[in-house]
Amino acid sequence: EAQVTQNPRYLITVTGKKLTVTCSQNMNHEYMSWYRQDPGLGLRQIYYSMNVEVTDKGDVPEGYKVSRKEKRNFPLILESPSPNQTSLYFCASSSGSGGGPYSPLHFGNGTRLTVT
Amino acid sequence: DAKTTQPNSMESNEEEPVHLPCNHSTISGTDYIHWYRQLPSQGPEYVIHGLTSNVNNRMASLAIAEDRKSSTLILHRATLRDAAVYYCILRRNTDKLIFGTGTRLQVFP
Repeated sequence: EAQVTQNPRYLITVTGKKLTVTCSQNMNHEYMSWYRQDPGLGLRQIYYSMNVEVTDKGDVPEGYKVSRKEKRNFPLILESPSPNQTSLYFCASSSGSGGGPYSPLHFGNGTRLTVT
Repeated sequence: DAKTTQPNSMESNEEEPVHLPCNHSTISGTDYIHWYRQLPSQGPEYVIHGLTSNVNNRMASLAIAEDRKSSTLILHRATLRDAAVYYCILRRNTDKLIFGTGTRLQVFP
């Protein structure tokens, strides 16, 4: 089944403890992206990647890192999490060379992160 | 960055048509108009997309204004399962996407 898989689904951590949220897709998509969703603010893009070893900042990249060493995986890294990074996070992917603006985005089911 | 404007909420009765509007006055010629919806406790899911012409699929129809500055997602017969937040976004090759807050659709039996 074609899907985007995020892990973990729920994560509670403390301020300053490094964490990684994994994202994997099995559709051979070039484009992958991370979003955070907060009440009243909708979905905001954190980082995106047009292909392996190519990443770019979205609207809210501060405090986050990403890497794209292989096509299927796009982990989101919080080196020193803070309470304002408590949020619902979504990973997405789509096909098409360079992202393809006509290509639908496929989303994972989300990771709810709480930083205390 | 290209932005879209949608009403915060809309209501419909079951089995009635629903027209969800979206304004995108800063759209450029290469921007595709995408619609997604997000059911409670799930990630957004793709609904439909188009460039200039109206589009139909099994989920919905997309009507695009002639000047492309607005579009309307049409659900022909709303069901309770269509209650969701609907997002209208513009996609271009740079792929720095702006989703906004979307329209929360309530469907009443």
